[in-house]
Amino acid sequence: DQQVKQNSPSLSVQEGRISILNCDYTNSMFDYFLWYKKYPAEGPTFLISISSIKDKNEDGRFTVFLNKSAKHLSLHIVPSQPGDSAVYFCAVFNFGNEKLTFGTGTRLTIIP
Amino acid sequence: NAGVTQTPKFQVLKTGQSMTLQCAQDMNHEYMSWYRQDPGMGLRLIHYSVGAGITDQGEVPNGYNVSRSTTEDFPLRLLSAAPSQTSVYFCASGVRGEGSGEKLFFGSGTQLSVL
Repeated sequence: DQQVKQNSPSLSVQEGRISILNCDYTNSMFDYFLWYKKYPAEGPTFLISISSIKDKNEDGRFTVFLNKSAKHLSLHIVPSQPGDSAVYFCAVFNFGNEKLTFGTGTRLTIIP
Repeated sequence: NAGVTQTPKFQVLKTGQSMTLQCAQDMNHEYMSWYRQDPGMGLRLIHYSVGAGITDQGEVPNGYNVSRSTTEDFPLRLLSAAPSQTSVYFCASGVRGEGSGEKLFFGSGTQLSVL
């Protein structure tokens, strides 16, 4: 039973435009929501996170939005740059069992 | 500062063989975990540990064993390799507590093929 779903396996965006990556989750008891970025042949790296008590967190070009009623998480990248081309994983964390659960990933390609 | 080190980077096994994937971190992190990455499946948690002597199962623990005798090391053992265990394996570590969910540091992965 997939607790975290990323329904778009891939996304292409023009350089300079906004990239929007989406994620849906099933359990309302998660405490933290996160985005990780992965380049080929490397391990994932942490990008940005948001607590369940907030609805927005911003870090430079990256903003994460949390809609708890819809159980939906999104990552906005603006402006998009060629170096943003990577696979993006959303993840959810539960303090109770200390498990970090990942989605299936979305491959973002920034077109120069 | 090496961070999280995984060895080997590549491994080919025959069905039924056993092996241990090594993972070591030099950041004194309490929290360590193992994931496997498969096409279309994302990263799935195999086992994790919140401190030396403590381990717990993730989503896909069958066929794998772990132990945590020291803070630094968290080896993953395949007891009898099967083709379904062909995957890329990632080890990760992090600060326990608020940091357990955030800023996990990942190794560069081990690509395992089971024939």
